[in-house]
Amino acid sequence: DTAVSQTPKYLVTQMGNDKSIKCEQNLGHDTMYWYKQDSKKFLKIMFSYNNKELIINETVPNRFSPKSPDKAHLNLHINSLELGDSAVYFCASSQKQGQPQHFGDGTRLSIL
Amino acid sequence: GESVGLHLPTLSVQEGDNSIINCAYSNSASDYFIWYKQESGKGPQFIIDIRSNMDKRQGQRVTVLLNKTVKHLSLQIAATQPGDSAVYFCAETYTGRRALTFGSGTRLQVQP
Repeated sequence: DTAVSQTPKYLVTQMGNDKSIKCEQNLGHDTMYWYKQDSKKFLKIMFSYNNKELIINETVPNRFSPKSPDKAHLNLHINSLELGDSAVYFCASSQKQGQPQHFGDGTRLSIL
Repeated sequence: GESVGLHLPTLSVQEGDNSIINCAYSNSASDYFIWYKQESGKGPQFIIDIRSNMDKRQGQRVTVLLNKTVKHLSLQIAATQPGDSAVYFCAETYTGRRALTFGSGTRLQVQP
C-alpha cells in the first residue's frame, strides 16, 4: 500500500509546454507539500497546503500553480516549462506541524 | 557535512563498523529535527527525529545527538550494513512552520 503516490514517475517534455504532476496520500494527513530536488540533491520546499489551503509559497515562479481539490490530493501544474525546471519533484504529507513528513518516490522532470 | 562543488560529501565505511554522519544548522529557533535516508530512485525515508528539549534519542541501530549550543546534529548508525548505503539528509523546522529545511546531504557507502 503506497502511502504517498505521485504520477507520472518520469516526465520528458519540450521547453514551453505545460504539464501537471499528481499526488495522492492515503494516510489521512492534513498537510501536503511539494519539494524540488536539483541535480546536486538539494531539497527545497516549494508549497505547503493545510486542509486545501495554501500556507507556504516559497518564492516559486507564477508558472507553478498547485491545486488541492481535497486534503488527500495536491497537484502541481507548470506552465511554459523552462530548462531550469528540470529536477525531481517530491510530494510529501504530514499529520501536523512537528511530525515527520512522508515522501512519495518523486517525479523526474526532464526538459528538452 | 556540507556540499563541496558538485559532489556530495561521501562517508565510506566497512560493513560492521559504526557510522557517524554530521549536520550543522543555522537557525537557533529550530526545535524539531529529522534524519532521512534516500535511496536511488526513491523519496526520502524517515529514520529518526528529535525535539529540541532532548539531546539524544535512540532507535533501532540508530542514535541521533543534538547539540543546540553549536547547532550540530549527528546520526550514528551501529553495525553498518550494505543496505544502509544511501544519501542521508538532516532536516529542521520550528514551531509554526510546517515545511522542512533540508541540509545538503551525505552519501554513505558501505564496503562489504
